[in-house]
Amino acid sequence: GEDVEQSLFLSVREGDSSVINCTYTDSSSTYLYWYKQEPGAGLQLLTYIFSNMDMKQDQRLTVLLNKKDKHLSLRIADTQTGDSAIYFCAEIYNDYKLSFGAGTTVTVRA
Amino acid sequence: DTGVSQDPRHKITKRGQNVTFRCDPISEHNRLYWYRQTLGQGPEFLTYFQNEAQLEKSRLLSDRFSAERPKGSFSTLEIQRTEQGDSAMYLCASSSGQVTTDTQYFGPGTRLTVL
Repeated sequence: GEDVEQSLFLSVREGDSSVINCTYTDSSSTYLYWYKQEPGAGLQLLTYIFSNMDMKQDQRLTVLLNKKDKHLSLRIADTQTGDSAIYFCAEIYNDYKLSFGAGTTVTVRA
Repeated sequence: DTGVSQDPRHKITKRGQNVTFRCDPISEHNRLYWYRQTLGQGPEFLTYFQNEAQLEKSRLLSDRFSAERPKGSFSTLEIQRTEQGDSAMYLCASSSGQVTTDTQYFGPGTRLTVL
């Protein structure tokens, strides 16, 4: 099936860490992705992780992958107001078709 | 590398009219994708081109929708006899088609409003 699930909303205080969670469906997905969307804009690729990895760190972003539970998370350290956006996780089918979750709206409060 | 561009950014049309959107991929990317995003949802796959060949069309792409990529560079998406349910953001993406990481890069989208 193509049913990626994410929690819909997250509110975080500026300077704290944000953790966005996602469950995916296809254990054969080779890559899993995180995209960011600001209001009225397209999707910006944030990071991705290869399915044989458990963790990937890229500056303030840390991706954790639990293949057994098909669980993916994105941690944003030192969250800033510019991080307010919708975050989508996505898995890839057949090497070309991305399947997205409904997105998690992150609101950063002062 | 100027990224994926889409034109127009916004389109308002009346029900029953035809509309056409254009996507210019990142140069030398041989794969091009169209997705549709409705309010509060993630993007949904519509179709995919490898060079000029259209290799898959989603069941979401009814007979009123047609996509082309005639020279393997830019692509157009046409919707005939638009309906209010066609109102959405239409996103284009491109990728290099590498065997390993074939990351899709998205354009800014075309927001369609059908009155």
